[in-house]
Amino acid sequence: AQSVTQLDSHVSVSEGTPVLLRCNYSSSYSPSLFWYVQHPNKGLQLLLKYTSAATLVKGINGFEAEFKKSETSFHLTKPSAHMSDAAEYFCHTGYSGAGFWYSGAGSYQLTFGKGTKLSVIP
Amino acid sequence: NAGVTQTPKFQVLKTGQSMTLQCAQDMNHEYMSWYRQDPGMGLRLIHYSVGAGITDQGEVPNGYNVSRSTTEDFPLRLLSAAPSQTSVYFCASSYGQGAPYEQYFGPGTRLTVT
Repeated sequence: AQSVTQLDSHVSVSEGTPVLLRCNYSSSYSPSLFWYVQHPNKGLQLLLKYTSAATLVKGINGFEAEFKKSETSFHLTKPSAHMSDAAEYFCHTGYSGAGFWYSGAGSYQLTFGKGTKLSVIP
Repeated sequence: NAGVTQTPKFQVLKTGQSMTLQCAQDMNHEYMSWYRQDPGMGLRLIHYSVGAGITDQGEVPNGYNVSRSTTEDFPLRLLSAAPSQTSVYFCASSYGQGAPYEQYFGPGTRLTVT
């Protein structure tokens, strides 16, 4: 079964310092991995995705993530935090087996991490 | 495109009442899903659909029903509301089968059951 673990429930950084949000995945197959951001009282917005092309993925708003198969990790980074980055971030995985990520009744392969709340201190 | 729309934005129910949360998308996406979001729990999948007429259960389906009669609409029905169903509900859609595509989320419905 696919799963993701976000290692920190809360991260606090000062404005202008680097951001690191950690996500480990568990998968028997090559996963697709995503990071989403949720600002207060809003829906989720895609930041970036990995689908087995380049291992370093660039997303919106200066975020990037690196897929490391040996470490089963997909950590999200940003060189310099901005106040507007304060939000909750979710790691998400999907599995594409035999070309389908719907693999039958009761067997769903998309899961979200529990989220990391990022605070940015002025 | 309006994207994914959800109505209502807020709802208060009494225990035992039923209601339907509406979700619609105008992107011709095959795949649609319903999640609930609770503090510290992330998003948990309730039900999903891979096309009109095809639905299946997710991680937490008890107390909820869905149907998918058209590509555009995917309503979520609460049969007999319970306080444990107090949550924020998100509908999402994506292109569907093949390599997992990103999901597009609606703005959410905040439900309180008293």
